This record gives sequence, C-alpha cells and structure tokens, in this order.
Amino acid sequence: AQSVTQLDSHVSVSEGTPVLLRCNYSSSYSPSLFWYVQHPNKGLQLLLKYTSAATLVKGINGFEAEFKKSETSFHLTKPSAHMSDAAEYFCVVSGHGSGNTGKLIFGQGTTLQVKP
Amino acid sequence: NAGVTQTPKFRVLKTGQSMTLLCAQDMNHEYMYWYRQDPGMGLRLIHYSVGEGTTAKGEVPDGYNVSRLKKQNFLLGLESAAPSQTSVYFCASSPGLAAKETQYFGPGTRLLVL
Repeated sequence: AQSVTQLDSHVSVSEGTPVLLRCNYSSSYSPSLFWYVQHPNKGLQLLLKYTSAATLVKGINGFEAEFKKSETSFHLTKPSAHMSDAAEYFCVVSGHGSGNTGKLIFGQGTTLQVKP
Repeated sequence: NAGVTQTPKFRVLKTGQSMTLLCAQDMNHEYMYWYRQDPGMGLRLIHYSVGEGTTAKGEVPDGYNVSRLKKQNFLLGLESAAPSQTSVYFCASSPGLAAKETQYFGPGTRLLVL
C-alpha cells in the first residue's frame, strides 16, 4: 500500500527567503510522486511530478523537488519565496500495482505563509 | 478550452435532501475522479471512472453514487444528504493511467448540509 506524510502542517517564511516543504512517502512499488498547489478558494494545480526519470524535478514558478529513494522523501524547495506562493501544498503519491488505476493518495497538506 | 468545470459552485442542503453534482471536461480524457476535501485530511477519492459507462469505488464511497453516461461528464449523486457530507468536492480528469499522468482538477463545489 502507498501512503504519504507531509511533515509540517504549517510553514511560515519571509519573502525572499528559501522554502522547504517536507514529504515522506511509503510505496511497495516504484512510485510516481507529485506536488500540487491550491490557492485559496481555487482548484488544485500541478507544480511538478516525478515519474522515474531524473531525480531532481523542476516545476513551475521556480519550485523543484528531489526524489531520494534511500530516504523515501520528495521535499519541495524554492530558493526565494514570493508573496504569491502563499497557498496550500499537497504531496501526492500515485498508486501502482495489480488492478490499480493509478489513484492518487494525498498528504494532509502544508499551508505556506509568506510574510512581507 | 475550459478544462474541467463543476456545477454548482456552492450549495446548501438540509439533511435527507438529494442533489447531483455535475463535472464536465472538454479534454477528451478517459479517466475521471471525484474527491472530497476535508480540513487536515487532504483529498480522498470517492469514486472514479475509467471510461464511458464504467464506474468504481474509491476510498470513501458510502453515501454517494456516480454515473458516466457520456465520456465528458461525470455525475456525483447524494441520495440522502447527511451533515458528515459537508465538504468541498473536487472533480478531476486524466488522459490515461494516472500513475504517470497529471490529473486536472475543477474549481470545486462547496456543499453544506444542515
């Protein structure tokens, strides 16, 4: 079975400082991993995804994530936070296995606050 | 190209009432999904469909029914609403096996059951 744990429910940074949102996963198979972002009262938008190609994945808006199999982690980073980055972020693992249709399994979410 | 749209955006129901949420996508995707989002719990899969005329249960299917009569539409029904079904409902679609495919989400429907 697959699962994902976001280690922080809330992260607060100052504008211009680095962002780190932590995610650990559990999977019996080679996983596909995603980060989605949800701005207030909006739907979810894909930031980036890992599907067994390069372990360092670059996404939109300057975000990137590194897949580390030895640590079962997929942390999201950005060198310099912008006010518009304030949102909720979800780490997601895609289910694999016999009969599975690739259902997404979501973490609990991390709220990113960006202070001026 | 509107992507994934959901109707209605917001609804208030009384306990025991029924309603249908409509999801439409114009991307010709085979797979469609219904999720609910509750505080501190991320999104949980209610039902999904791998093609026109097919549906299957997800993680939290009780109290909901779905239908996929047309490829572009995926309906979520509540036959007898309960306060525990107060939530934000998201529809999503993907072109193929979602293990590697991106899911595209609608804007959500906020449902309040009194």
